[in-house]
Amino acid sequence: DTAVSQTPKYLVTQMGNDKSIKCEQNLGHDTMYWYKQDSKKFLKIMFSYNNKELIINETVPNRFSPKSPDKAHLNLHINSLELGDSAVYFCASSPQTADTQYFGPGTRLTVL
Amino acid sequence: AQSVTQLDSQVPVFEEAPVELRCNYSSSVSVYLFWYVQYPNQGLQLLLKYLSGSTLVKGINGFEAEFNKSQTSFHLRKPSVHISDTAEYFCAVRSGGSNYKLTFGKGTLLTVNP
Repeated sequence: DTAVSQTPKYLVTQMGNDKSIKCEQNLGHDTMYWYKQDSKKFLKIMFSYNNKELIINETVPNRFSPKSPDKAHLNLHINSLELGDSAVYFCASSPQTADTQYFGPGTRLTVL
Repeated sequence: AQSVTQLDSQVPVFEEAPVELRCNYSSSVSVYLFWYVQYPNQGLQLLLKYLSGSTLVKGINGFEAEFNKSQTSFHLRKPSVHISDTAEYFCAVRSGGSNYKLTFGKGTLLTVNP
């Protein structure tokens, strides 16, 4: 039973395209997150939703738009992809009071 | 604002040797501290966490860490490492209150050699 799952695992696309990454958690958590891990392994929070409400929105280009259709899902849509968007994107979830975050396996995005 | 500094980007050790991975944090309020491990091509997995109480925290796979408030440190230790411990280790801090934001250090690559 996968707790936090992401699709796709790998995504290769051309500059200028629009793509989405999906995340689902079956842990019953209220809070979900998107992180970006760059080529140097640095991990940075992008967004967080609590009960479908956006609570963290870091300095991220507005080409990135998260969408939470329900508590168990948090998708990330990226418009007009750029070379610098190439990274591994991790989804995570946690109980509402947010101590331990549970991470998905990651989506490796490569923009050519 | 909160921040985390992992002093070593890479730590090579031999199998069965002890290891310490260093982590220092800064925060103006009370903190919760975490160590996560990332094996190659995988997501992050929680090793251990400090929320309150005893400053010595034990985690999975024989790891432990000690919270030192005066030195603002949360170093990770293991008395005897295995080849399978080779991975990237991340220290993270979250401030108290309703701030859900987890700030990660830049990671330490632990390489265990035979």
